[in-house]
Amino acid sequence: GAVVSQHPSWVICKSGTSVKIECRSLDFQATTMFWYRQFPKQSLMLMATSNEGSKATYEQGVEKDKFLINHASLTLSTLTVTSAHPEDSSFYICSARFASGGEQFFGPGTRLTVL
Amino acid sequence: KNQVEQSPQSLIILEGKNCTLQCNYTVSPFSNLRWYKQDTGRGPVSLTIMTFSENTKSNGRYTATLDADTKQSSLHITASQLSDSASYICVVTYTGGFKTIFGAGTRLFVKA
Repeated sequence: GAVVSQHPSWVICKSGTSVKIECRSLDFQATTMFWYRQFPKQSLMLMATSNEGSKATYEQGVEKDKFLINHASLTLSTLTVTSAHPEDSSFYICSARFASGGEQFFGPGTRLTVL
Repeated sequence: KNQVEQSPQSLIILEGKNCTLQCNYTVSPFSNLRWYKQDTGRGPVSLTIMTFSENTKSNGRYTATLDADTKQSSLHITASQLSDSASYICVVTYTGGFKTIFGAGTRLFVKA
């Protein structure tokens, strides 16, 4: 089956620093990748949708200058949390799909803790 | 407004028992409905996918049903195991823009 990986699986950083999270589709080319954030005991909240080679589309309320998304290739998307603050601490999950309307395959998630 | 509602919010059952989780949606036009299992601290994993014309889909001890007329789906877990403890998320995709909506999930706890 389709496999999506994320790196790192967890990260702890100081307030004010930037953190980059990678999302890779290992055995398929992903035309679209999605980034989600999940707070404890809550469901996934879509942050942005990115298509390879074009700018990401951000959901309402998500700051595009704070959460920088780069979808450089059909197998790699990165999410950079700039100037992270403790309230950015969350579980970040990416997903990828290779066809419009097709199934999303989720990565294992990245736990971000900002001190 | 497109919405996906799941019930119950949480559920505790004894190992070996069966349980049924519910998902109601008001999405239109409907494309497909998926059930995912999400273990704590992990990404969701797909269990079943159903399109408009499908009523039932099984995956081992998991059986999903879909009533497109009433816009309801259920996930039935048979002979529960401790490893079934997880959040189960109902996700509906609608054709307008290929958007997806996630339910809030049902947290299932299976006790020995």
